[in-house]
Amino acid sequence: GAVVSQHPSWVICKSGTSVKIECRSLDFQATTMFWYRQFPKQSLMLMATSNEGSKATYEQGVEKDKFLINHASLTLSTLTVTSAHPEDSSFYICSARSPSGSLGEQFFGPGTRLTVL
Amino acid sequence: KNEVEQSPQNLTAQEGEFITINCSYSVGISALHWLQQHPGGGIVSLFMLSSGKKKHGRLIATINIQEKHSSLHITASHPRDSAVYICAVEWEGFGGSQGNLIFGKGTKLSVKP
Repeated sequence: GAVVSQHPSWVICKSGTSVKIECRSLDFQATTMFWYRQFPKQSLMLMATSNEGSKATYEQGVEKDKFLINHASLTLSTLTVTSAHPEDSSFYICSARSPSGSLGEQFFGPGTRLTVL
Repeated sequence: KNEVEQSPQNLTAQEGEFITINCSYSVGISALHWLQQHPGGGIVSLFMLSSGKKKHGRLIATINIQEKHSSLHITASHPRDSAVYICAVEWEGFGGSQGNLIFGKGTKLSVKP
């Protein structure tokens, strides 16, 4: 089946630094990618929807200036957490949808564990 | 064999019917999620369960940890419930309760008026 990779799988950084997370669709072109966040003991939350070549659409309450999303190609979307703080520590998951996929063909990355010290 | 199995894969119902979607898993988990995906959109989280039963509106989710099984029920189904329902588990193999997610393949539900 289709594969979506995320890099890095985990990262530890100091408060105030910026962290970039990559989401790649390895064997298909994804016109739409989604970024999710999961805090401990909580469910997934959609952060933003990223469409190739256009600005991301952010969910209510998600700061677009803090979580920069770039979807520069059909196989790569990046999420940059700028000036990270301990409260940004979370599990970040991306998913990618193939433009030819029918309902349900959304493929998820394995996630990135961010810990901000 | 997938660690998370959902059944049925596809389900068509008439409006008003009671619907059950099942999820079985084979790994130790700390929590189980039921997600809903509508066409063109991302995923909406419906429930997160670690034991027992939860209810939200017409939706009910149950989990039996000993049997490694969860069910999602929809009462008085409506065409707007048409979506893909995904079961995802947080497994204990990585980082304890903050483990990675393993997703089921989803159940495509169509509710006809």
